[in-house]
Amino acid sequence: AQKVTQAQTEISVVEKEDVTLDCVYETRDTTYYLFWYKQPPSGELVFLIRRNSFDEQNEISGRYSWNFQKSTSSFNFTITASQVVDSAVYFCALSEEFNNDMRFGAGTRLTVKP
Amino acid sequence: AAGVIQSPRHLIKEKRETATLKCYPIPRHDTVYWYQQGPGQDPQFLISFYEKMQSDKGSIPDRFSAQQFSDYHSELNMSSLELGDSALYFCASTLNSGRNGGELFFGEGSRLTVL
Repeated sequence: AQKVTQAQTEISVVEKEDVTLDCVYETRDTTYYLFWYKQPPSGELVFLIRRNSFDEQNEISGRYSWNFQKSTSSFNFTITASQVVDSAVYFCALSEEFNNDMRFGAGTRLTVKP
Repeated sequence: AAGVIQSPRHLIKEKRETATLKCYPIPRHDTVYWYQQGPGQDPQFLISFYEKMQSDKGSIPDRFSAQQFSDYHSELNMSSLELGDSALYFCASTLNSGRNGGELFFGEGSRLTVL
């Protein structure tokens, strides 16, 4: 079964600092999909990005960027110039091609202080 | 744009009671997922439906059941509630067309508290 590890339980930074959230995954499938979700204090899960296993291109979206490296089974997420509104729990998740069970990591709680 | 609608948003029940959560997926989405997120935990997959048929089953207790109706909305029925069932229950939908990998659009969740 697939597995997602987010080793960082909590991270605290000061506003405007850059921060990287780590995600390491395990799967036996050759076709799989990786996701990042944000869960702010209000509780909803907000989709941030989706990557399939055949697309190792890194992506940048505003202050957010993602580094997907199959060689190390990692899909790390960097927030540049963090803001207080970035404070949330961030989940990395993995979905396999023929398995409906999207598996989440334990989440990383990011606190951005003013 | 219409999102996934879950009701009720908050629910308080006593032990051994029954609860029903409802989920209305995004229009034209054919796949619904239910997740349970305990306090401080990551969301755990319970069950999914594709075109009104159960497509996969995760860590859903036998006391729970779910179904997807002809209008694609789904209901999660929980009986003989236990204190440990207190959690945030998420419904998510996607346009699956029988394949995985699409992004899941989550509702805002239904918070169940069992006293």
